[in-house]
Amino acid sequence: QITLKESGPTLVKPTQTLTLTCTFSGFSLSTTGISVAWIRQPPAKALEWLALIYWDDDKRYSPSLKTRLTITKDTSKSQVVLTMTNMDPVDTATYYCAHSRGYDIFDYWGQGTLVTVSS
Amino acid sequence: ETTLTQSPAFMSATPGDKVNISCKASQDIDDDLNWYQQKPGEAAIFLIHEATTLVPGIPPRFSGSGYGTDFTLTINNIESEDAAYYFCLQHDTFPYTFGQGTKLEIK
Repeated sequence: QITLKESGPTLVKPTQTLTLTCTFSGFSLSTTGISVAWIRQPPAKALEWLALIYWDDDKRYSPSLKTRLTITKDTSKSQVVLTMTNMDPVDTATYYCAHSRGYDIFDYWGQGTLVTVSS
Repeated sequence: ETTLTQSPAFMSATPGDKVNISCKASQDIDDDLNWYQQKPGEAAIFLIHEATTLVPGIPPRFSGSGYGTDFTLTINNIESEDAAYYFCLQHDTFPYTFGQGTKLEIK
């Protein structure tokens, strides 16, 4: 059974760096074809794809946020970490991580974690 | 970047109804479109992939159609448990993009 769970601060101040961790079970990120992505949804707005890391450590980033994002994986801990620099109130959102296997894109999701950016 | 225009943003249905949710892509994405269901506080559920293929375990009252730029999620014989937020995703090209979502209310 595949599960993912997001964790991190619920409140960050403007200009700070956000670090979110996705801890997963039921699969290994060293298995060929597997990837984990980060996605966010601001209140009452659409979902936005942020970043994705593949089993072979290849990475993809949203062009609009690329300069602020870093995605890494720790296979031994079954974790994927997203850092986002220079946080702003517009970054207030629920942040999700999601699993993909081959062409099954985002077949499993975490429940999300709400991050509020405020001074 | 491929924009997905999803409609309607909100709809209300009665048990037994049939509903259609539309997702239109700004450019040809072949069949690289998925549909998901999400309820408040829960993880999103993968309903349909490659536009028309039902994910195993999803009730057959859910179906998907379309190719290229126009896609539809159809829910037949709506049940009260189908009250949720539905959204589409294109994974044809990066950056992956989502539709704006549809909130389905069951009367």
